[in-house]
Amino acid sequence: RKEVEQDPGPFNVPEGATVAFNCTYSNSASQSFFWYRQDCRKEPKLLMSVYSSGNEDGRFTAQLNRASQYISLLIRDSKLSDSATYLCVVTSNDYKLSFGAGTTVTVRA
Amino acid sequence: DTAVSQTPKYLVTQMGNDKSIKCEQNLGHDTMYWYKQDSKKFLKIMFSYNNKELIINETVPNRFSPKSPDKAHLNLHINSLELGDSAVYFCASSPHPSSYNEQFFGPGTRLTVL
Repeated sequence: RKEVEQDPGPFNVPEGATVAFNCTYSNSASQSFFWYRQDCRKEPKLLMSVYSSGNEDGRFTAQLNRASQYISLLIRDSKLSDSATYLCVVTSNDYKLSFGAGTTVTVRA
Repeated sequence: DTAVSQTPKYLVTQMGNDKSIKCEQNLGHDTMYWYKQDSKKFLKIMFSYNNKELIINETVPNRFSPKSPDKAHLNLHINSLELGDSAVYFCASSPHPSSYNEQFFGPGTRLTVL
């Protein structure tokens, strides 16, 4: 079983829609959780950290469910510029980041 | 004023050759990393150095040898290149080797082995 699994999508949504997707992780000792964003042929960039209590950053909301070992990302009021691949990242206490293969989101006009 | 830079951006070479990729960060970070992103888009950690010392060494063929001359540089040398080495290689850095730190990635080096 992969350490981090994501639905690859693609999620094709119209502008203004809400889109949400999950990521599951296998290591119950995982310590920290992130969503990174990767545009086509570009490097990954941190979108947001995911905290136990859930957190929001503008139109983006991240949730963590430790009991079921998943994290989620919700994007409200989608913009064309939100089109990207969203990478779920999980770390344990050995400093290594484990990346999911990414969920592709395409926002259409 | 690029934070993490890599050279070259593209590398096309024949099987069996030896090549190097260079990485530099001007963020003052202690920790640097090499990742490989294959055609299936999985990003996998290869190596990490903290203040010039190797702290992560994943199961990578010993044809891959990282070198950190100082904490701002982490280079990757690959001997006897194989077709399966074709991928995008990303360098990254973070302030410390902590699980909680954001990592800053370079623009990637797209390696094609023919």
